[in-house]
Amino acid sequence: AAGVIQSPRHLIKEKRETATLKCYPIPRHDTVYWYQQGPGQDPQFLISFYEKMQSDKGSIPDRFSAQQFSDYHSELNMSSLELGDSALYFCASSLVRGLVDEQYFGPGTRLTVT
Amino acid sequence: DQQVKQNSPSLSVQEGRISILNCDYTNSMFDYFLWYKKYPAEGPTFLISISSIKDKNEDGRFTVFLNKSAKHLSLHIVPSQPGDSAVYFCAASQNQAGTALIFGKGTTLSVSS
Repeated sequence: AAGVIQSPRHLIKEKRETATLKCYPIPRHDTVYWYQQGPGQDPQFLISFYEKMQSDKGSIPDRFSAQQFSDYHSELNMSSLELGDSALYFCASSLVRGLVDEQYFGPGTRLTVT
Repeated sequence: DQQVKQNSPSLSVQEGRISILNCDYTNSMFDYFLWYKKYPAEGPTFLISISSIKDKNEDGRFTVFLNKSAKHLSLHIVPSQPGDSAVYFCAASQNQAGTALIFGKGTTLSVSS
């Protein structure tokens, strides 16, 4: 079965540069989520989109922005990168159906800021 | 303050035995709970979920139990297999479209043969 696709898988940037992470949800899924996982940490929610509208917002820095496009893929834009932004960034997707809302995660993008 | 707590960082079990992973939560607004399995440098893999209207959900070797009054859930794996060795995350949400999952810190399960 098709899974969540994230690109790139690895990214190395310098401080103060910008980065764009892409996420392609499972076909027919209408909701996309972004999470950040630091070393030895649990995933922390950043932001989500349902039917192309921002749905929920977590601890996303103002330097970051995201959107969901008409084909349901999503991009996370990160500017003025800091060393502390080095982490695994996961995208998840789901199809909300009544009481069921299982989020399926992609393989992640490992961002290293030097 | 950690809203989802997995108080055991690690658990070791012999192959064929039962693995029981525990999770506690503090937010009474949570109404949907999930368990994920994660290998290093990979995304979390969905295992099983349960809505707050149920107290048990079973899928093959995996069973999740929910005790709402105690704000406690557990994942039972029977029988445990070496391939089950991974980090297991408990997650909770208020089940509305696009709502964040709040994760626990994870429990590392080691199944020895």
